[in-house]
Amino acid sequence: GNSVTQMEGPVTLSEEAFLTINCTYTATGYPSLFWYVQYPGEGLQLLLKATKADDKGSNKGFEATYRKETTSFHLEKGSVQVSDSAVYFCALLNFNKFYFGSGTKLNVKP
Amino acid sequence: DSGVTQTPKHLITATGQRVTLRCSPRSGDLSVYWYQQSLDQGLQFLIHYYNGEERAKGNILERFSAQQFPDLHSELNLSSLELGDSALYFCASSETLAGDHEQYFGPGTRLTVT
Repeated sequence: GNSVTQMEGPVTLSEEAFLTINCTYTATGYPSLFWYVQYPGEGLQLLLKATKADDKGSNKGFEATYRKETTSFHLEKGSVQVSDSAVYFCALLNFNKFYFGSGTKLNVKP
Repeated sequence: DSGVTQTPKHLITATGQRVTLRCSPRSGDLSVYWYQQSLDQGLQFLIHYYNGEERAKGNILERFSAQQFPDLHSELNLSSLELGDSALYFCASSETLAGDHEQYFGPGTRLTVT
């Protein structure tokens, strides 16, 4: 079947720290992979995506590389800001269906 | 503001009742997706409509149904409500049929079943 597993939060970091949020997936075929971000009281927003193996998605300083050999799509950012505090969701799209991870809450302290 | 509107923002109802949630997609978007976000189940994809036709079904209960109208707005109908149906319901829209095209999420409808 299809599923997404991401690290449990909350993750608490100081401003300018390096961020990694792990995401691994199980899927048949060739899924597309996504990271979404949800700020308090809002809906999800697409952060980045990758549609095939070895693709790197990037946006707003965040990056993730589609690794088929390790079935992973880890989210990274070199220097987080307080404004990055939110919940981050890893997701996959396969045969027109979306599967989301449970979300990882990130708290960035000044 | 994503351009996707959902009404109502909040809904409180009793077990056994039926409710209808409404979603208006961004202007020009033909695809509408429905999601349920609850504390214990996380974010679950429910159903996808494209230009009035159902395209994909996720973990949608038989008590739930949806449709997309000619003006492209969509409604999610939840019936015989149970306490466990309490959740945040999001809709999202995108331009095309392809799921990997960016989806724009609405602010959600918070349903509380008492």
